[in-house]
Amino acid sequence: DAGITQSPRYKITETGRQVTLMCHQTWSHSYMFWYRQDLGHGLRLIYYSAAADITDKGEVPDGYVVSRSKTENFPLTLESATRSQTSVYFCASCWTGRNEQFFGPGTRLTVL
Amino acid sequence: AQSVTQPDIHITVSEGASLELRCNYSYGATPYLFWYVQSPGQGLQLLLKYFSGDTLVQGIKGFEAEFKRSQSSFNLRKPSVHWSDAAEYFCAVGYMNRDDKIIFGKGTRLHILP
Repeated sequence: DAGITQSPRYKITETGRQVTLMCHQTWSHSYMFWYRQDLGHGLRLIYYSAAADITDKGEVPDGYVVSRSKTENFPLTLESATRSQTSVYFCASCWTGRNEQFFGPGTRLTVL
Repeated sequence: AQSVTQPDIHITVSEGASLELRCNYSYGATPYLFWYVQSPGQGLQLLLKYFSGDTLVQGIKGFEAEFKRSQSSFNLRKPSVHWSDAAEYFCAVGYMNRDDKIIFGKGTRLHILP
């Protein structure tokens, strides 16, 4: 199916565990983004990528790691999850940084 | 730092009434602007965007927005809201000749009274 997908949609984990959230897009968009959405904060950019093997930090990168070995995939890893990382995570993609971003359905992550 | 302000956290309007959601951005020489809508449990969907040209832009679902450079604003309007418009609305801004990120406002949640 064409589009942008995220997996898992829901995840519960414990403090200190490593968690990887997956993002896959079928448009071959150059740019991909990870945001977290928290009440009162709107969407905050965690990391973004302009192309395969090119990544850059956003507003709130601490505690997160990304990689992009293939254009269509942009996984986000929490190396040692903390309760403050409980959030809804959205992946997005677009052709260039100044175009409309297409958003995935989100992953709701709970860290106990 | 560049920023986007949506002054209203919540807005309640009656079905059939007109709507205006406010958005102000910090000054930038050549901004480009977006409005997104998020229905409960969903991702964000683009309503409209402004890059250049006509300052009044039309979007999907009967929405429009007007770019006013002198006021650093990009307010979203709809002449008559429907119950299905209840959602959260996000304004976002980017700047030409800067990096390729856009900045989102904190959102305005719209409630519709029957």
